[in-house]
Amino acid sequence: DAGVTQSPTHLIKTRGQQVTLRCSPKSGHDTVSWYQQALGQGPQFIFQYYEEEERQRGNFPDRFSGHQFPNYSSELNVNALLLGDSALYLCASSRGGNSPYGYTFGSGTRLTVV
Amino acid sequence: SQQGEEDPQALSIQEGENATMNCSYKTSINNLQWYRQNSGRGLVHLILIRSNEREKHSGRLRVTLDTSKKSSSLLITASRAADTASYFCATGSSASKIIFGSGTRLSIRP
Repeated sequence: DAGVTQSPTHLIKTRGQQVTLRCSPKSGHDTVSWYQQALGQGPQFIFQYYEEEERQRGNFPDRFSGHQFPNYSSELNVNALLLGDSALYLCASSRGGNSPYGYTFGSGTRLTVV
Repeated sequence: SQQGEEDPQALSIQEGENATMNCSYKTSINNLQWYRQNSGRGLVHLILIRSNEREKHSGRLRVTLDTSKKSSSLLITASRAADTASYFCATGSSASKIIFGSGTRLSIRP
């Protein structure tokens, strides 16, 4: 049983470019949450998708957008990249709109903006 | 912004000793979860304790929750080299998202 799959694992982009990160949730999970983790910090909540809609959003600018597909997979898009967007981006999946049982995390995408 | 704050930020102990990490949070919660992260990789869910529970065990892990003090502790007994990692607490409220603290970096010396 595959867990959460994220792609790509590493990515280098130039300031001002756009990037798309992808996530496939664990089998049986229908909710996907995205987190940004800067070096040495805890993960910061970006947004959560459930039933193909953005259910909740953290304190991130509109440059960060996402999508959930009918098969529950999800994309995170970041436009107009800034150097400060360099971070580990983590996708987590869970079952149901609420997550009382803990999340399953992917290994993350390491984004470097130069 | 972080909901929880872990204490200490870093902890170094001898293999075989017990490790205790603390987490304080600010708002009402439905549950509190602990996760482990090895060297910048994905987080692994360790244990979840609900707001109406005071203590929970899982193998060598013991978690306590004091909602009156808005705090939790994670105890790892008989530590092993493989326990070296960062540990995060995360709080879940009536909303479905969970919010992470800043983490404790645990090092186990051989």
